Amino acid sequence: EVQLVETGGDLIQPGGSLRLSCAVSGFTVSPYYMTWVRQAPGKGLEWVSVIEDGGTTHYADSVKGRFTISRDISENMLFLQMNNLRAEDTAMYYCAKGRGRTSSYDFWGQGTLVTVSS
Amino acid sequence: DIVLTQSPATLSLSPGERATLSCRASQSVSIYLAWYQQKGGQAPRLLIYDASNRATGIPARFSGSGSGTDFTLTISRLEPEDFAFYYCQQRRDWPITFGQGTRLEIK
Repeated sequence: EVQLVETGGDLIQPGGSLRLSCAVSGFTVSPYYMTWVRQAPGKGLEWVSVIEDGGTTHYADSVKGRFTISRDISENMLFLQMNNLRAEDTAMYYCAKGRGRTSSYDFWGQGTLVTVSS
Repeated sequence: DIVLTQSPATLSLSPGERATLSCRASQSVSIYLAWYQQKGGQAPRLLIYDASNRATGIPARFSGSGSGTDFTLTISRLEPEDFAFYYCQQRRDWPITFGQGTRLEIK
C-alpha cells in the first residue's frame, strides 16, 4: 500500500528555519518526480518544489533561494528545508508522488501544518 | 508563468445533475493538464491526467476533455460525495501552476 506521511510542521517565528520530512512506503522515491505542494488556510493549492527522478530540482519563485528540496533514497524519504520563513509561508504542506516521470500527482500525504508567526 | 483560470468560482447543482467545470490556460499547455478533487480537511485526489485520462479508481462519471488552452471536467450525474473543491493543474512548463479552484456545492 502506498503511503506518504509528512512530519516536521510547527509554529515558528519569522526568519526561522524548519525541515519537513515525508516518509514514503509502498514504492521507492528514486524513479518518480516527488513534490511539495502547500495550501494556505482557506486558499487554493500552490506548487512549491519538485525533485525529478534524476535529481534535478525546480522551485516556485516565491520560495527560490529560501527552500531546498532533497531526498534520501536509502531511507526512502523526501525533505523540504525551509529557511528565512515568512508569514506568507504559513500553510499546510503536502508531499506527493508523480505519475512516473511526470508532474501529475497520484498519491498525496495528509499534510503537515507550518505556522509562521511571532 | 502559465496562469490557469477556472470557472465558475462556485457551481450550485443537485445530485443527479450534470456538472461542467472549465479551466482556461493563458498559453497552450498541450494536453498536460490534470484535475484534482479536494474535500474539506483532506489531501487532493487526482481525478484526470493528461486532459482526458481517468486516474486509477476514479468512477466513469468523471471525464475530462480539451487541449491547448481550453479544458473541461464533466461529472455526468452528481453523487452526494462529489460536492467538493476542484482544481486544474498544468505540467507543460515550470513552474507548475494550479487554477484557483471551483467549489461545487449542493443546491
